[in-house]
Amino acid sequence: RKEVEQDPGPFNVPEGATVAFNCTYSNSASQSFFWYRQDCRKEPKLLMSVYSSGNEDGRFTAQLNRASQYISLLIRDSKLSDSATYLCVVTRSGGSYIPTFGRGTSLIVHP
Amino acid sequence: GAGVSQTPSNKVTEKGKYVELRCDPISGHTALYWYRQSLGQGPEFLIYFQGTGAADDSGLPNDRFFAVRPEGSVSTLKIQRTERGDSAVYLCASRSQGRETDTQYFGPGTRLTVL
Repeated sequence: RKEVEQDPGPFNVPEGATVAFNCTYSNSASQSFFWYRQDCRKEPKLLMSVYSSGNEDGRFTAQLNRASQYISLLIRDSKLSDSATYLCVVTRSGGSYIPTFGRGTSLIVHP
Repeated sequence: GAGVSQTPSNKVTEKGKYVELRCDPISGHTALYWYRQSLGQGPEFLIYFQGTGAADDSGLPNDRFFAVRPEGSVSTLKIQRTERGDSAVYLCASRSQGRETDTQYFGPGTRLTVL
């Protein structure tokens, strides 16, 4: 089983839709969680960190469920510019804070 | 300010050749990471430097891969006897101090093609 698993999609949604992605991780001792966004042929960029209490940044909401070992990302009122690959990142415990990336979920927002 | 830069942006080489990929991190960032990303996959960790030393090289696939950061800033990833399976985008990222709460900033990557 991979350390971080994501549905690769693509998720094809119309503008204005709400879409949610999940990501599961296998190491129960994982410490930190993030969502990154990667546009085609570009480098990944941090979208948001994920906290146990859940956090929101505008149209984006991230949640962590430690008991079930998954994190989620909810995007409300999707824009065409949200089309990208969303990478789930889990940081290994043990002091080195080595991030493990999922393969990413592709989102396509169409008019 | 300047972000993370990587050179070259593209490198085409022949099987069996030696290549060097360079990363210039954000000035003052002590933590530096190398990743490899294949098509349709997320970045795969290779090696992590804290200052000049390799704090974790557990992701290097074999002894053909080696990286250095002699002065704690610029880093070079070296691949000997390249194989076709080494073809990928090699990404470098830097962090202020390597704490998990510090944002990791990625460079644009070097696209390596081994013919």
